Amino acid sequence: EIVMTQSPAVLSVSPGERATLSCRASQNVRSNLAWYQHRPGQAPRLIVYGASTRATGIPARFSGRGSGTEFTLTISSLQSEDFAVYYCQQYNAWPPIYTFGQGTKLDLK
Amino acid sequence: EVQLVQSGVEVKKPGMSLKISCKVSGYSFTNYRIHWLRQVPGKGLEWMGIIHPGESDVRYNPSFDGQVTISVDKSINTAYLQWSSLKASDTATYFCARGSEYDLKAPIDYWGQGTPVSVSS
Repeated sequence: EIVMTQSPAVLSVSPGERATLSCRASQNVRSNLAWYQHRPGQAPRLIVYGASTRATGIPARFSGRGSGTEFTLTISSLQSEDFAVYYCQQYNAWPPIYTFGQGTKLDLK
Repeated sequence: EVQLVQSGVEVKKPGMSLKISCKVSGYSFTNYRIHWLRQVPGKGLEWMGIIHPGESDVRYNPSFDGQVTISVDKSINTAYLQWSSLKASDTATYFCARGSEYDLKAPIDYWGQGTPVSVSS
């Protein structure tokens, strides 16, 4: 099973600041990597897929980079609605077993 | 508008059976795969399995194979996740989510709101 490791577990930032979240895969997942935002009590939301493609309706302040085993999600200027937990997920494994990182909680500083 | 609407909170005792549902709208149900995922309180997301409603192709995470059953009812655009005998360790929130129309190597693009399940004696 491909293990996804996210860092840090908690990131405390102020509105308007830049946040960079990291995700590492235990094996090469090519660009088959997605990022999801999860606010408490809500359905998770797809932010980035294909490692760097923003999903429909996602603001340009979100950007994803990486391939292979190292990935980052950057939020250029944090808005109040961005404070949530972010998960990375690989969808490259065959047979299909989709695995998630343990999450990075973006906290208001 | 794509929507996945899940059934409500469940409180059960160990050994009981349970079937939770996920009703979809806003797209052709039989064209897109449906995932089921689990989130244990305070933990991350675990992928349980995937079904193609049009082909009835079901694949399970080996960790959940034999523990749950994933099914659909195409006549009412609804997917199901069921247990025959619940354990306390099944306490979690369960999410359904939409996968790809064509490829298993694809992200999840829409999620349900989650069904909290509590199992306790």
